[in-house]
Amino acid sequence: EVQLVESGGGLVQPGGSLRLSCAASGLTFSTYAMSWVRQAPGKGLEWVSALSGSGGSTYYADSVKGRFTISRDNSKNTLYLQINSLRAEDTAVYYCAKSAMPDVWGKGTTVTVSS
Amino acid sequence: ELVMTQSPATLSVSPGERATLSCRASQSVSSNLAWYQQKPGQAPRLLIYGASTRATGIPARFSGSGSGTEFTLTISSLQSEDFAVYYCQQYNNWPRAFGQGTRLEIK
Repeated sequence: EVQLVESGGGLVQPGGSLRLSCAASGLTFSTYAMSWVRQAPGKGLEWVSALSGSGGSTYYADSVKGRFTISRDNSKNTLYLQINSLRAEDTAVYYCAKSAMPDVWGKGTTVTVSS
Repeated sequence: ELVMTQSPATLSVSPGERATLSCRASQSVSSNLAWYQQKPGQAPRLLIYGASTRATGIPARFSGSGSGTEFTLTISSLQSEDFAVYYCQQYNNWPRAFGQGTRLEIK
């Protein structure tokens, strides 16, 4: 069974940084593209970023381009999202998902940006 | 940038009845369209991919249709556990895009 477990969320001040992690198990991690999707409180789903199995190709939503960096360590079966210059509008639950068309999702980690 | 538009925003249906949800893309996404179900406090769950293929374990009462720019999710006989928010997502182009969601509520 594929399992994805996110971590690294928390309360951070505007302008701060966080690194989110997603530990994957039950799959040959390096063969799958992976995605991050977020959901602001009471709002819909927003696709954030994705990268290929090798990590060689990365994709970003316009709303996060230049501030967010997606990466992976295939030796550790772990996906990352580095988030810089945080804004109040980045407050959301961040989900890790398998594939570029997400078919398995983690439970999410909450990021709150507030002073 | 490609935009996905879902309608209606809220749909009120009685248990046992049929529900029809729509999703429109601002440009063709071929059949690269997925549907997700999300219940309060839970992660989304994949229902349909390739516009019409049910994901593993999804009951036959869920069906998807369409191609190009117009898509439909139909739930043939609503069960209590089907009342939730439904999202469509295109995976034909980068960046990916979700619709804003349709809330399916009990009438």
